[in-house]
Amino acid sequence: DQQVKQNSPSLSVQEGRISILNCDYTNSMFDYFLWYKKYPAEGPTFLISISSIKDKNEDGRFTVFLNKSAKHLSLHIVPSQPGDSAVYFCAAFQGGSEKLVFGKGTKLTVNP
Amino acid sequence: DAGVTQSPTHLIKTRGQQVTLRCSPKSGHDTVSWYQQALGQGPQFIFQYYEEEERQRGNFPDRFSGHQFPNYSSELNVNALLLGDSALYLCASSLTGYSYNEQFFGPGTRLTVL
Repeated sequence: DQQVKQNSPSLSVQEGRISILNCDYTNSMFDYFLWYKKYPAEGPTFLISISSIKDKNEDGRFTVFLNKSAKHLSLHIVPSQPGDSAVYFCAAFQGGSEKLVFGKGTKLTVNP
Repeated sequence: DAGVTQSPTHLIKTRGQQVTLRCSPKSGHDTVSWYQQALGQGPQFIFQYYEEEERQRGNFPDRFSGHQFPNYSSELNVNALLLGDSALYLCASSLTGYSYNEQFFGPGTRLTVL
């Protein structure tokens, strides 16, 4: 049972444009969401997070939006850069649990 | 600071064998979590160790076991290997009581079971 879903396996955008990566979840008990970026041969690195009490969090070029009623979150990257090309994982925590639940990932390619 | 380190980088085993993977957490961290990432999938939580004890476990059989040492390093053991155990095994370290953000991953160990 996939509790965190990333339905787009891949996304390709032009440098300078906006990249939008989407994530849906089914467990309404999740209360903290994170995005990780993963380059080949490296472990995932934390990018940005959002608590369920917020609907938006910004950090430089990266913004995460949370729509609790739709159980949907998205990561916006503006402007996209070739160095952003990586696999992006959406992940979620349920309060009181140590278990981080990941989606399958979306491979982003930013073309120069 | 070397960050989270894992060894070995790659490993090839045959079905039925046993394997031990090792993880050294980031300096100052006391908690280690292990994840399995199969090809085309996201990482799946195996278990977490804190104070040398398993604190929480994911949906993995008893063939998967672990250990944490007094210096906070950790081992993941898998017995009676199956073809389906072929995956990237990731270790993540954190400091108990801090935010979810503070979970750092190692580069992983690529296990191939033939």
